[in-house]
Amino acid sequence: GENVEQHPSTLSVQEGDSAVIKCTYSDSASNYFPWYKQELGKRPQLIIDIRSNVGEKKDQRIAVTLNKTAKHFSLHITETQPEDSAVYFCAATDNNAGNMLTFGGGTRLMVKP
Amino acid sequence: GAVVSQHPSRVICKSGTSVKIECRSLDFQATTMFWYRQFPKQSLMLMATSNEGSKATYEQGVEKDKFLINHASLTLSTLTVTSAHPEDSSFYICSAWHDLVRGAFFGQGTRLTVV
Repeated sequence: GENVEQHPSTLSVQEGDSAVIKCTYSDSASNYFPWYKQELGKRPQLIIDIRSNVGEKKDQRIAVTLNKTAKHFSLHITETQPEDSAVYFCAATDNNAGNMLTFGGGTRLMVKP
Repeated sequence: GAVVSQHPSRVICKSGTSVKIECRSLDFQATTMFWYRQFPKQSLMLMATSNEGSKATYEQGVEKDKFLINHASLTLSTLTVTSAHPEDSSFYICSAWHDLVRGAFFGQGTRLTVV
């Protein structure tokens, strides 16, 4: 089955700096890679996703890159703000095999004002 | 939109009783829904995949007779924790797969406390 590793587990940045979170996956059949943001006690919210037919996707201050050959993908947050503080989860799945997401271990991002 | 509603958000029950948690997709149909358990400061652990009109698929180590899942319609899946014990206390969260958007959206979660 799929295995997703996520690093770092915690990340502290100064407001305005960039944050990068990296994930690797094991199943070469995986073709859908979403990122979720979870604030304390709340539901994970889909913030951006990427499919295997593209290498990069951007939405305002957040971007995701995908390297299929190396089987890794990354989340980039620029100009971080205190409200970006949360736990971020990456995930991977094969859309052709049931859409069951395998999650990384999570990254606790702290943005210091 | 892609709104998933989960109820109740919190429940306290006595040991030995059963608790039912509902997961509804409010503005889309979901052939597939997923049930997770999340321990404090940990990732989401998939418990089972719920498919409309068929039996749920449980992950290894998850007791299907203890965690009963029913997906009777394209907008509703239920998880019943039977004969709950204190070790079942946890945050249970569902997600629904949106076939058109091709993404998963989460309910707000249920914090279960068994006393």
